[in-house]
Amino acid sequence: GAVVSQHPSWVICKSGTSVKIECRSLDFQATTMFWYRQFPKQSLMLMATSNEGSKATYEQGVEKDKFLINHASLTLSTLTVTSAHPEDSSFYICSARPGTSVPDTQYFGPGTRLTVL
Amino acid sequence: AQKITQTQPGMFVQEKEAVTLDCTYDTSDQSYGLFWYKQPSSGEMIFLIYQGSYDEQNATEGRYSLNFQKARKSANLVISASQLGDSAMYFCAMREGWGSTGKLIFGQGTTLQVKP
Repeated sequence: GAVVSQHPSWVICKSGTSVKIECRSLDFQATTMFWYRQFPKQSLMLMATSNEGSKATYEQGVEKDKFLINHASLTLSTLTVTSAHPEDSSFYICSARPGTSVPDTQYFGPGTRLTVL
Repeated sequence: AQKITQTQPGMFVQEKEAVTLDCTYDTSDQSYGLFWYKQPSSGEMIFLIYQGSYDEQNATEGRYSLNFQKARKSANLVISASQLGDSAMYFCAMREGWGSTGKLIFGQGTTLQVKP
């Protein structure tokens, strides 16, 4: 149980285009989902927290208009990188937290590697 | 100030031996949770073990155990009988408060290499 999927697993796009990444909890309902960014050999940096049906809460320094997050249902959250530039190239990982689990463990998706040319 | 500190950027261990990965944390909350995750080269984050701040016993999960020393604010991960498949990056993380947003704060990570 507690499987989280991400799609696509990797994407290459041209500078200026928008890219959408999907995060799905496959066998549980996720009241909260999180989006992280990770550069090579570095730690995970939390970008935003999303709760189903409400606006995402962004961490300081993360541009809301650039990284659009939509938590459409209890099993799906999407991250859209708008007008992507080479500096947005990174590994993006989502995680989902079941509302009733004890402990409140986050389960992570396999990640999406974004390369912007 | 860094809330989660992993002071070992890289560690080597011989196959079948035990290894301890260090993690110290800083919080003023009484209620918090500590997690360890493993990240192989594929990139997925695999949950290993959890310790709650009120748990009196050290957490164990198979070959993983968490050496929780609350007064010293340390939560070291012990891997017994290391296997080649244990080679990966390991992250310690903390969740402050209970019933909060559940945000995790991650340490810098430790890269573990298991030698045959």
